[in-house]
Amino acid sequence: GAGVSQSPRYKVAKRGQDVALRCDPISGHVSLFWYQQALGQGPEFLTYFQNEAQLDKSGLPSDRFFAERPEGSVSTLKIQRTQQEDSAVYLCASSFSHGRETQYFGPGTRLLVL
Amino acid sequence: GIQVEQSPPDLILQEGANSTLRCNFSDSVNNLQWFHQNPWGQLINLFYIPSGTKQNGRLSATTVATERYSLLYISSSQTTDSGVYFCAGEGGSNYKLTFGKGTLLTVNP
Repeated sequence: GAGVSQSPRYKVAKRGQDVALRCDPISGHVSLFWYQQALGQGPEFLTYFQNEAQLDKSGLPSDRFFAERPEGSVSTLKIQRTQQEDSAVYLCASSFSHGRETQYFGPGTRLLVL
Repeated sequence: GIQVEQSPPDLILQEGANSTLRCNFSDSVNNLQWFHQNPWGQLINLFYIPSGTKQNGRLSATTVATERYSLLYISSSQTTDSGVYFCAGEGGSNYKLTFGKGTLLTVNP
């Protein structure tokens, strides 16, 4: 079956622009995670959903970052008034049920803020 | 949260050589995964291994949970094994994975 997909794969934004990044998890997966990966670093946790409920958003770096998963499947990560320091790869992962199991990652969205 | 240390940070091998990558955790973990990040950035699952030993072809992994470390073994390395290898753990009552900084493996022909 299909894996986790993300779109767009690449996004160039001007500083101050709003962006929306989409994640389609593996069908039927309950848990969904967003991670941010800076160049040369490991991914860092942003937020976690179980179905449509956002159970943990402790990793979101500022109130310019917002994530939603309104129907418990597709998720969108929105970044308002982008800054240069937001440039990174944004990874989405999903797992079958409660999250304490194998997480499967999408290909990521590479965001460059100019 | 937990801290994850990976070693070595960089490793250069000739094709056919064997290698061992190590991951140390600051606290006990409930979920431990090894990933290979290919040159296109895709994180590929290698092992889900909170304890014990698993093998998949030329790769195997061992986690000693009581001593808070995990090892990834790569035997008869190939150039396609090149890339960054990450371990990640989940500790406590949350579900997020904490990643190490990775090991950059280069396999030369």
